[in-house]
Amino acid sequence: AQTVTQSQPEMSVQEAETVTLSCTYDTSESDYYLFWYKQPPSRQMILVIRQEAYKQQNATENRFSVNFQKAAKSFSLKISDSQLGDAAMYFCAYRGTGANSKLTFGKGITLSVRP
Amino acid sequence: NAGVTQTPKFQVLKTGQSMTLQCAQDMNHEYMSWYRQDPGMGLRLIHYSVGAGITDQGEVPNGYNVSRSTTEDFPLRLLSAAPSQTSVYFCASRNRVSGNTIYFGEGSWLTVV
Repeated sequence: AQTVTQSQPEMSVQEAETVTLSCTYDTSESDYYLFWYKQPPSRQMILVIRQEAYKQQNATENRFSVNFQKAAKSFSLKISDSQLGDAAMYFCAYRGTGANSKLTFGKGITLSVRP
Repeated sequence: NAGVTQTPKFQVLKTGQSMTLQCAQDMNHEYMSWYRQDPGMGLRLIHYSVGAGITDQGEVPNGYNVSRSTTEDFPLRLLSAAPSQTSVYFCASRNRVSGNTIYFGEGSWLTVV
């Protein structure tokens, strides 16, 4: 079974600075999807970024980018120019490419942004 | 376009009561799933369905039942509520074959006293 590990339960960043959230995963599959979700206090699940394992290039969405290291099974999220609105819980998640594949989440990390 | 709709949003139950959390999607998605979110545990899969008439257990299925009589609806039933089922519940759906994007409902807050 696939597992997703987020070892840091909390992080803090100064507004306008850069922060990196770590995630590792374990799988025997060669192709899969990785995701970062943001969950603000409203509890809404918001997709931040998605990476397809067969793509060598790291995904980027505005201030959010990932460092995908397939051999190391590492998938970290970098938030540049942090804003107060970035404060939330962030979940790393994994899904295989099979039609019936399940989405597996890490335990999440709470990010606070200091003004 | 409603997406994934969960009802109710908030519910307080007494121990031993039963209830059903409703989930409906209007995107014709074959794959639907239920998660629960507890502090420090992330989201854990309860049950999922890959199409009408097909359901299967996830990581934490005990105490919950599901059925999938239509493509649109995937209700989650608590048979005899326990305080350990106090949680936030999320329904999600995606296209089964091409579904890179997973759509989540807004969550249902359940408290069992």
